[in-house]
Amino acid sequence: ETAVFQTPNYHVTQVGNEVSFNCKQTLGHDTMYWYKQDSKKLLKIMFSYNNKQLIVNETVPRRFSPQSSDKAHLNLRIKSVEPEDSAVYLCASSPQNTLYFGAGTRLSVL
Amino acid sequence: GEKVEQHESTLSVREGDSAVINCTYTDTASSYFPWYKQEAGKGLHFVIDIRSNVDRKQSQRLIVLLDKKAKRFSLHITATQPEDSAIYFCAASLNTGNYKYVFGAGTRLKVIA
Repeated sequence: ETAVFQTPNYHVTQVGNEVSFNCKQTLGHDTMYWYKQDSKKLLKIMFSYNNKQLIVNETVPRRFSPQSSDKAHLNLRIKSVEPEDSAVYLCASSPQNTLYFGAGTRLSVL
Repeated sequence: GEKVEQHESTLSVREGDSAVINCTYTDTASSYFPWYKQEAGKGLHFVIDIRSNVDRKQSQRLIVLLDKKAKRFSLHITATQPEDSAIYFCAASLNTGNYKYVFGAGTRLKVIA
């Protein structure tokens, strides 16, 4: 049963545009994450928040910024997208170790 | 930093046979090793994990083995079924409270009926 909700499912945009992806979890977890999955299915962590506080910030370009209004929401904004940003962005939450993933947002940058 | 290598990029087995997926890691401090399954068009779904205080764990048809000396862990799926077809990811992380998981590159498992 899905408990990590991501919107939109797909987004097609042009180079230089700004995009925002939303993520909400209804599991009551304290920690949320954003992962990027590229065309070869490789997964890389981008950000992690614990109770609205940033705790992991991997080396991602500055055009990426996470936004957390409360511990159930973690959004991702990309200012001025570039072609290499085309990927699936996966949101996840966890109580401790186990990650619960959303279905992902597929971004295509033309 | 930690590197996780997943040795089989694709694996095909006949229905009813066993499938084995192998992973190695580099950081001796890693102590938690989960496995995730990803079906087409979906996010990852947790299937089983193992902690470094044990070397074997079983959950129904899934068995995970951990060899800390060799820094190797493996997922065994017994009596495979067509619905086991998916991409399987191994991962490694430090103790509870560390929020960084390093994932392997994934193994695409196909179970042939």
